[in-house]
Amino acid sequence: QKEVEQDPGPLSVPEGAIVSLNCTYSNSAFQYFMWYRQYSRKGPELLMYTYSSGNKEDGRFTAQVDKSSKYISLFIRDSQPSDSATYLCAMSMKTGANNLFFGTGTRLTVIP
Amino acid sequence: DSGVTQTPKHLITATGQRVTLRCSPRSGDLSVYWYQQSLDQGLQFLIQYYNGEERAKGNILERFSAQQFPDLHSELNLSSLELGDSALYFCASSAPTVSSGNTIYFGEGSWLTVV
Repeated sequence: QKEVEQDPGPLSVPEGAIVSLNCTYSNSAFQYFMWYRQYSRKGPELLMYTYSSGNKEDGRFTAQVDKSSKYISLFIRDSQPSDSATYLCAMSMKTGANNLFFGTGTRLTVIP
Repeated sequence: DSGVTQTPKHLITATGQRVTLRCSPRSGDLSVYWYQQSLDQGLQFLIQYYNGEERAKGNILERFSAQQFPDLHSELNLSSLELGDSALYFCASSAPTVSSGNTIYFGEGSWLTVV
């Protein structure tokens, strides 16, 4: 079993839809949770960073962490065609990104 | 633009050859990481350097090696290349402060094709 599981999709939604992306994990020691967005053949770009459980909002993006369920989510409101990309979750147990564990990524397409 | 610079962007080479990938971290970042991304394996951590010293090793093959120089730029050397080494190689860097947590910033990658 992988430490971090992420549905690879692909996921297609109409413009303006609310998108929900999810990851589950098995290691209860994970404390730091991140979401990266990666456009085709580009480097992953940090979207959201959260520590421990709770919600964090940044514009149209909301990250949720539920440590009791070992489940993290990224919500995108009013999705735009420019949101079409692969979204990767990442997490680690402590500071020092040498032990950063990535999900395999979910490919999202927002249809105009 | 993340501030992490990688060269070359694209590279095509033959099996058995050796290549060097170069990375300049963001200004002020002391840590450099190398990741490999292939279609079937996702993002795989290879190695981390901090201020010139190796900090951690991941799934890095013995044919691969890296170093970080006094000016903090890093190089990843890939030798005896095989077809399966074809992948995107990313360099990333992070700030040294505790408050930055585990946020790392990726470069645009070097696309290696071994033929």
